[in-house]
Amino acid sequence: NAGVMQNPRHLVRRRGQEARLRCSPMKGHSHVYWYRQLPEEGLKFMVYLQKENIIDESGMPKERFSAEFPKEGPSILRIQQVVRGDSAAYFCASSPGTSGFNEQFFGPGTRLTVL
Amino acid sequence: RKEVEQDPGPFNVPEGATVAFNCTYSNSASQSFFWYRQDCRKEPKLLMSVYSSGNEDGRFTAQLNRASQYISLLIRDSKLSDSATYLCVVKAAGNKLTFGGGTRVLVKP
Repeated sequence: NAGVMQNPRHLVRRRGQEARLRCSPMKGHSHVYWYRQLPEEGLKFMVYLQKENIIDESGMPKERFSAEFPKEGPSILRIQQVVRGDSAAYFCASSPGTSGFNEQFFGPGTRLTVL
Repeated sequence: RKEVEQDPGPFNVPEGATVAFNCTYSNSASQSFFWYRQDCRKEPKLLMSVYSSGNEDGRFTAQLNRASQYISLLIRDSKLSDSATYLCVVKAAGNKLTFGGGTRVLVKP
């Protein structure tokens, strides 16, 4: 049973370009979450999605950032017109549902570097 | 005040010794509590969920004190492989996880 998969693992972009980060949840998991970890800081929640729905995007910047989790295919976190401050590790997590502890399991992350 | 606060450490622990550390949370509506570990900025890995009555998993024991709003983690018989950053994680309604800044533990021979 493969874990959460993320790609690419490392991504380098120049200022003003677009970054697309992909996440495939664990088999049987229908809930996906994106977190960001800036250098020397803790993880911060960005967005929570179920298939075709954004449930909570309270942690996502209002501009330049968007997320989707289509009916088919991986979840995508898209950052338009990247700036140096977007350089961070972006982790995706998935969980099976909402009942009980509903533990979240994390992917290996995508490390974005903006030049 | 941060929602989840942890002593950043590092806690320098001799191999075989016991180490314990706490985390405090500010949201009294928090429902679920977890300890994750993170190695060298890799992905967080779930160590254990924390039950209201406290729970043990091998050498690891977690306690929850809702009245004082803190969670603790105790590691017995420390191994070199226990060296990591331990993340206190709290979940209120809505599935969003709130992470503490982490407590760094260094186990030395």
